Amino acid sequence: DQQVKQNSPSLSVQEGRISILNCDYTNSMFDYFLWYKKYPAEGPTFLISISSIKDKNEDGRFTVFLNKSAKHLSLHIVPSQPGDSAVYFCAAMVSSGSRLTFGEGTQLTVNP
Amino acid sequence: DAGVIQSPRHEVTEMGQEVTLRCKPISGHNSLFWYRQTMMRGLELLIYFNNNVPIDDSGMPEDRFSAKMPNASFSTLKIQPSEPRDSAVYFCASRTQGGQPQHFGDGTRLSIL
Repeated sequence: DQQVKQNSPSLSVQEGRISILNCDYTNSMFDYFLWYKKYPAEGPTFLISISSIKDKNEDGRFTVFLNKSAKHLSLHIVPSQPGDSAVYFCAAMVSSGSRLTFGEGTQLTVNP
Repeated sequence: DAGVIQSPRHEVTEMGQEVTLRCKPISGHNSLFWYRQTMMRGLELLIYFNNNVPIDDSGMPEDRFSAKMPNASFSTLKIQPSEPRDSAVYFCASRTQGGQPQHFGDGTRLSIL
């Protein structure tokens, strides 16, 4: 039972353009969502998060949007840079607990 | 600041051998998590500890896997006996309680021949 799904295994964009990574979840108890970025041979690093009381959170070039009714969130990167090339994981949790449930990841490639 | 430290970074051993993976969480973090990453199942939580106490071990695949946290600065994940299907990257993560993001180590790449 995959409670968090990232349906696009890969995404390729040109430098300077917008990257949009998508994530869907099925568990309506999830109320806190995170995005992690992972480079090869390294652990995932935290990027940005959003609570279910918000529908948008912005941090520099990174913005996360949450649509609770659709159980969908997205990560926007503007402008995209070659250094953003990595695997991006969406994760969800019930904030009263500790368990994170991860999606499968999306490989983003930003071409110069 | 030192991050989460895992050792070894790589481990290659023959099936049937005992494997011990080690993790040092970030100082001051009182929650520790063990994950396994495989192509088939992605990143899955194996077990986590709060204040050195195992809270949820429902992700531990079978009795061959065990984890301990004897003190706040050290945890081990042991596989005995190891099998080829245990080959994966094992990550340790830690955080403070109260909704802070988990911080991951760089993982141990385990290959069981």
